[in-house]
Amino acid sequence: GQQLNQSPQSMFIQEGEDVSMNCTSSSIFNTWLWYKQEPGEGPVLLIALYKAGELTSNGRLTAQFGITRKDSFLNISASIPSDVGIYFCAGLEWETSYDKVIFGPGTSLSVIP
Amino acid sequence: GAGVSQSPSNKVTEKGKDVELRCDPISGHTALYWYRQSLGQGLEFLIYFQGNSAPDKSGLPSDRFSAERTGGSVSTLTIQRTQQEDSAVYLCASSTRTSGAYEQYFGPGTRLTVT
Repeated sequence: GQQLNQSPQSMFIQEGEDVSMNCTSSSIFNTWLWYKQEPGEGPVLLIALYKAGELTSNGRLTAQFGITRKDSFLNISASIPSDVGIYFCAGLEWETSYDKVIFGPGTSLSVIP
Repeated sequence: GAGVSQSPSNKVTEKGKDVELRCDPISGHTALYWYRQSLGQGLEFLIYFQGNSAPDKSGLPSDRFSAERTGGSVSTLTIQRTQQEDSAVYLCASSTRTSGAYEQYFGPGTRLTVT
């Protein structure tokens, strides 16, 4: 079946540093999604990407949909302590009238003040 | 408006007992998902409902797991004869498309502990 891989698995960075994380897939998706999950809560959708090559920003977050449609990256600029959490990528396929969403294993981000 | 709600927030049960977990999606969202998340792990897809279509049950780990969605709104995930490996956080999400943009919202989850 479809599998997503995320790298790195975990990151420890100093406040103010920029962060970059990747997501790759064994198959093509037509939509890429990035989520953030904080302890004790459900994931929150941050960015959705719909076209190969698309670059989208949401505040300090920037994400790109890879040209091959098998990868995506998420960048966070000037990290702050509240950026701490687990970041999940997800691929979405429109299959026979429904949206099937497959999640990656996540990248855990720790920000040292 | 209100987000996705789940109940109970925590459930402790004895091995072998049945449990029911409830999800109230956002009003008007036709799509509803159940996921399972073990400690420190990613999200494991369980089941998906879309409108009146037959649900996608491909992620259910065994026949002890079942789910219903009544009237296209509230959903119940039932686990029969619970096992210790069923211990996890069970997350529900609902989604919609607005002008083609995909929106998915998660509930806070139900933490299930099987003793």
